[in-house]
Amino acid sequence: GIQVEQSPPDLILQEGANSTLRCNFSDSVNNLQWFHQNPWGQLINLFYIPSGTKQNGRLSATTVATERYSLLYISSSQTTDSGVYFCAGHTGRRALTFGSGTRLQVQP
Amino acid sequence: GAGVSQTPSNKVTEKGKYVELRCDPISGHTALYWYRQSLGQGPEFLIYFQGTGAADDSGLPNDRFFAVRPEGSVSTLKIQRTERGDSAVYLCASSFTGGGSDTQYFGPGTRLTVL
Repeated sequence: GIQVEQSPPDLILQEGANSTLRCNFSDSVNNLQWFHQNPWGQLINLFYIPSGTKQNGRLSATTVATERYSLLYISSSQTTDSGVYFCAGHTGRRALTFGSGTRLQVQP
Repeated sequence: GAGVSQTPSNKVTEKGKYVELRCDPISGHTALYWYRQSLGQGPEFLIYFQGTGAADDSGLPNDRFFAVRPEGSVSTLKIQRTERGDSAVYLCASSFTGGGSDTQYFGPGTRLTVL
């Protein structure tokens, strides 16, 4: 199966700062999703983005499929952005392979 | 509309017991997935249903684990002779596979603790 690497593993920000999270895949993917896992464990869909760029409020994501990576941008971070961010993808089998996550802590 | 629901939210059992975990997918979603998440790790795939049939069960760790989806909607994950190593959060997801996007939507999970 594919390998998914996320960086950085941990990130501490002051409220209002911007950040970029990265996800590298070992193979081309048909499906690529970004999730935010809140402190209660719920996985919240952020983006379905196998290629291209999307924006949703303070969040945006870019996937460069030919180079097998995706970036998640968080601007003007808020304390409610804290949690773990996962990227996940599949190559056609539909079973998502997740990275180990980026643990984000936004301090007031 | 309603999201994916899972019951129970928490389950505590003793080693060797049998447990059933239930997943109710988003209405109209044809695909249903089970994942397992251990502390500090990302979710790991267990099994995927397309309709009533298991299309891919390659993630089931051993034959103590079994899942069914008899009517193509609700699914039950069954674990026999539970072991302490089975303790984890079991996540269910569903997706609609008829269009261009097969975005998977996750439920809140069932936290299983085996004593």
